[in-house]
Amino acid sequence: AQSVAQPEDQVNVAEGNPLTVKCTYSVSGNPYLFWYVQYPNRGLQFLLKYITGDNLVKGSYGFEAEFNKSQTSFHLKKPSALVSDSALYFCAFYGNNRLAFGKGNQVVVIP
Amino acid sequence: DSGVTQTPKHLITATGQRVTLRCSPRSGDLSVYWYQQSLDQGLQFLIQYYNGEERAKGNILERFSAQQFPDLHSELNLSSLELGDSALYFCASSPMTGRTEAFFGQGTRLTVV
Repeated sequence: AQSVAQPEDQVNVAEGNPLTVKCTYSVSGNPYLFWYVQYPNRGLQFLLKYITGDNLVKGSYGFEAEFNKSQTSFHLKKPSALVSDSALYFCAFYGNNRLAFGKGNQVVVIP
Repeated sequence: DSGVTQTPKHLITATGQRVTLRCSPRSGDLSVYWYQQSLDQGLQFLIQYYNGEERAKGNILERFSAQQFPDLHSELNLSSLELGDSALYFCASSPMTGRTEAFFGQGTRLTVV
């Protein structure tokens, strides 16, 4: 079965340090991959997507993600984390006429 | 603001009851998705409609049903409610069906007591 996996439950990072949220995929064919963020009591907000082309995808709020076919990964990155980046992050793939999400990663940015 | 409107924001109801959740997609979007978010199950896809027609079905219980109307708004009907149905229900919309991002509403928090 196709899926994305987010292996860590929580990521703690100091403000100003680089932030990485990991995602690996098991998707047949060319994967269509997405990152979303959810702030408390809010809906999910789209950050970025990989469809085809450049392996480095730039998105909203200074986030970027690197598609790595050999490692079947699509990690989300931000060079310098802000306290306001503390939220729940979801990796997703498109398959069978729907966006299917990973379990999510809680990111805590420590001042 | 994503442009997707969900009503009501909060709903408290008793077991055995029936409720209707409403979603207005972004202007011009033809595709509507429904998701359920709970602590133990994560974010689960329920159902998708495109221009009034059902396109995909996920882990949607038989007690749940949905439809998309000619004006493209959608309703999710939940009946014979159980305590375990308590969750956050999201609607999302996209311009088309296919490999594209969807934009989420702020959700309806359903509490079954």
